[in-house]
Amino acid sequence: QKEVEQNSGPLSVPEGAIASLNCTYSDRGSQSFFWYRQYSGKSPELIMFIYSNGDKEDGRFTAQLNKASQYVSLLIRDSQPSDSATYLCAVNDNYGQNFVFGPGTRLSVLP
Amino acid sequence: GAVVSQHPSRVICKSGTSVKIECRSLDFQATTMFWYRQFPKQSLMLMATSNEGSKATYEQGVEKDKFLINHASLTLSTLTVTSAHPEDSSFYICSATSGGPNEKLFFGSGTQLSVL
Repeated sequence: QKEVEQNSGPLSVPEGAIASLNCTYSDRGSQSFFWYRQYSGKSPELIMFIYSNGDKEDGRFTAQLNKASQYVSLLIRDSQPSDSATYLCAVNDNYGQNFVFGPGTRLSVLP
Repeated sequence: GAVVSQHPSRVICKSGTSVKIECRSLDFQATTMFWYRQFPKQSLMLMATSNEGSKATYEQGVEKDKFLINHASLTLSTLTVTSAHPEDSSFYICSATSGGPNEKLFFGSGTQLSVL
């Protein structure tokens, strides 16, 4: 059974701080890694993807991947109240049909 | 990112009726579509995976005769909730991918189903 684990939270950070969201996965064959943001009552929205070990930055977001440790994280710099949402980690084994989602981490950015 | 359109966004129906939800990929060919259900404050629950032109693969515990999935083309999949009951009230979300290495998964906007 392929699994993706995340702390459910809530993770509370003050406005302007760095939010760090973590995710571990069980399938060593996983090749693609994704972060989705889901606001309450809305569907998930893709915000970051990473395929290679290391860091990938996009604006205030940085995804970090360590395949040896089977660990992927998302850093949000200068957190804003509008970042308050549930963040879903997802992994894919690269055959396109096996996207496995974690349960999500609820982030609350306090003004 | 790619666009996945889902309709209707909200539906209210009487118990015993059937409801059809459409999911379209607007700017790419979706070889695989997924249907999820999500109850308030809970995680996404994968219901089924459908590939164009073939029967859907349902997750354990999901009744295939109650949740009919049709993926007749590379841009359209439908989910029909047959003889809906109040316990079927939930947020239904489709997603689509063109498949292959490094391809991404995009979600529709979801359908809030309320069965009275």
